[in-house]
Amino acid sequence: DIQMTQSPSSLSASVGDRVTITCRASQGISNYLAWYQQKPGKVPKLLIYAASTLQSGVPSRFSGSGSGTDFTLTISSLQPEDVATYYCQKYNSALSITFGQGTRLEIK
Amino acid sequence: EVQLVESGGGLVQPGGSLRLSCAASGFTFSSYWMSWVRQAPGKGLEWVANIKQDGSEKYYVDSVKGRFTISRDNAKNSLYLQMNSLRAEDTAVYYCARGPIVVVPAAIVWSAFDIWGQGTMVTVSS
Repeated sequence: DIQMTQSPSSLSASVGDRVTITCRASQGISNYLAWYQQKPGKVPKLLIYAASTLQSGVPSRFSGSGSGTDFTLTISSLQPEDVATYYCQKYNSALSITFGQGTRLEIK
Repeated sequence: EVQLVESGGGLVQPGGSLRLSCAASGFTFSSYWMSWVRQAPGKGLEWVANIKQDGSEKYYVDSVKGRFTISRDNAKNSLYLQMNSLRAEDTAVYYCARGPIVVVPAAIVWSAFDIWGQGTMVTVSS
């Protein structure tokens, strides 16, 4: 099975900072990579799919990049409402869908 | 409005059974693969199972194979998860989610999980 490893597992940044979260697949998954945001006590929300396509309604400060095994989620200017846990997910096969372990983002 | 609404969660003893339901509205249910995802208290997301739009293919995470069964009724726009032989480690919030595939005229689109229900809590405890 393909494993998804996120880093860091947690981070603290200041409002306005540029924040980067990485996700590595143990095997190539082309661009079948999604990013989700889950705020405390809330339902997960799709931010980005196909590695770099912004879901409708998601602020443009969020962006994704990568292909193959290495992927990145970037928040260009951190806002207080971005406090959440972020998950990557590989979906290149319906037989096995895997999430990363999550990255908890806090405001410094 | 596109919506998924789960029901059927609750407290069950180890070894017991529970059937979750997910009612879909606001979209063409029969065009989408559908999935179940769970989240144990304080833990991350775990995909549980998915089902093809016509029900002809079903896939499961290893930890639930042989115990859980996913099904759907396109006439009722509903998704189900029959959970048998429940264990303490099955305790979680269970979400239904739309995706990861949608079938549109002349194309298959991989869409990730773009719509989620609000979740239903399953607690397995004596």
